[in-house]
Amino acid sequence: KAGVTQTPRYLIKTRGQQVTLSCSPISGHRSVSWYQQTPGQGLQFLFEYFSETQRNKGNFPGRFSGRQFSNSRSEMNVSTLELGDSALYLCASSVGLAGGHRNEQFFGPGTRLTVL
Amino acid sequence: AQKITQTQPGMFVQEKEAVTLDCTYDTSDPSYGLFWYKQPSSGEMIFLIYQGSYDQQNATEGRYSLNFQKARKSANLVISASQLGDSAMYFCAMRENSGYALNFGKGTSLLVTP
Repeated sequence: KAGVTQTPRYLIKTRGQQVTLSCSPISGHRSVSWYQQTPGQGLQFLFEYFSETQRNKGNFPGRFSGRQFSNSRSEMNVSTLELGDSALYLCASSVGLAGGHRNEQFFGPGTRLTVL
Repeated sequence: AQKITQTQPGMFVQEKEAVTLDCTYDTSDPSYGLFWYKQPSSGEMIFLIYQGSYDQQNATEGRYSLNFQKARKSANLVISASQLGDSAMYFCAMRENSGYALNFGKGTSLLVTP
């Protein structure tokens, strides 16, 4: 079974631009969560999508948004990029909603975004 | 407040030796899960081991075991017989039953030397 895939793997943008990242979950998984990883803040939860609906959201500004399609693939969009948005963006999929302490999430390789 | 604390920014261990990576956590939820992930330089987070708050026994997965001390709120990862390929960042994470997101620690960088 194929793992979680993310595209693109690397991205360079300039301040003020917008960017869209894509995540394809493991087949049969319906939940996709997004995390931002930076050296300073570590790993922080962005949001979770399940059945095409955003179910949970972390503490990020409205510039960060996402969506999920009927095939469970998810996209994350960041508008008006800032230098501080430079990070590794990881997506994780799970069979059901991520809540509940046992629900295991499988991570993709991440998209490394650099904002100049 | 920081929910997961990993006090060792970096660790060295010789090949074939055992190593313990520390993790303490903070929660008032009686039901929670603790996870350890490995992140090689490629960036992918690889799930290693899980421990539930109500599990009576310490979790083990191959060379990985979890030293779970509930009263002390610690969940240390023990890697036995270290291999060069174990060199990576290791993250401890917790999800409370009432929550949905994984709360990660800052990580420990492990370097295995020949």
